[in-house]
Amino acid sequence: EAQVTQNPRYLITVTGKKLTVTCSQNMNHEYMSWYRQDPGLGLRQIYYSMNVEVTDKGDVPEGYKVSRKEKRNFPLILESPSPNQTSLYFCASSLSNGPKGEQYFGPGTRLTVT
Amino acid sequence: SQQGEEDPQALSIQEGENATMNCSYKTSINNLQWYRQNSGRGLVHLILIRSNEREKHSGRLRVTLDTSKKSSSLLITASRAADTASYFCATAQRAGTALIFGKGTTLSVSS
Repeated sequence: EAQVTQNPRYLITVTGKKLTVTCSQNMNHEYMSWYRQDPGLGLRQIYYSMNVEVTDKGDVPEGYKVSRKEKRNFPLILESPSPNQTSLYFCASSLSNGPKGEQYFGPGTRLTVT
Repeated sequence: SQQGEEDPQALSIQEGENATMNCSYKTSINNLQWYRQNSGRGLVHLILIRSNEREKHSGRLRVTLDTSKKSSSLLITASRAADTASYFCATAQRAGTALIFGKGTTLSVSS
């Protein structure tokens, strides 16, 4: 089944404890991105990747890192999480036309930083 | 960099009625897309309309695009309780590297 998977789905952590949220797609998509969703603010893009080893900042990249060593994986790294990073995170991928194409979203990761 | 703004923010209707949601945006676009999100879940792509198209249909969905007014509408006909969800418009700018989402319309369909 074609899909985007994220792990973990739920995470409660403490300020400053490094964490990684994994994202994997099995559709051979070149374009992948991370969004965060907050009440009243909608979805905002954190980082995106046009292809392997090509990543760039989105609208809200502060406090996050990403890597794209393989086409299928695009992990999101929080080196020192803070409470303002409490949010619902989505990974997405797209085949045709990259950011202009239909996006396939993962199920989301709900992160709470205390 | 908010681009799309949906209207209304919330909509409550009865099963069988039609639901109309509107989206306005600010800059020139390559295409506009509509997504649905069931509570707390991932977004699901519904329909994509290109800047040179004016209307598109998919099942019970009808999308219109007016580039002169920088606006789009999503019509869901004969709504069902299962249509209860949040609906987002997203715009792809011509030279952009991201799909920019609006804040969404929350639709409640009661039986």
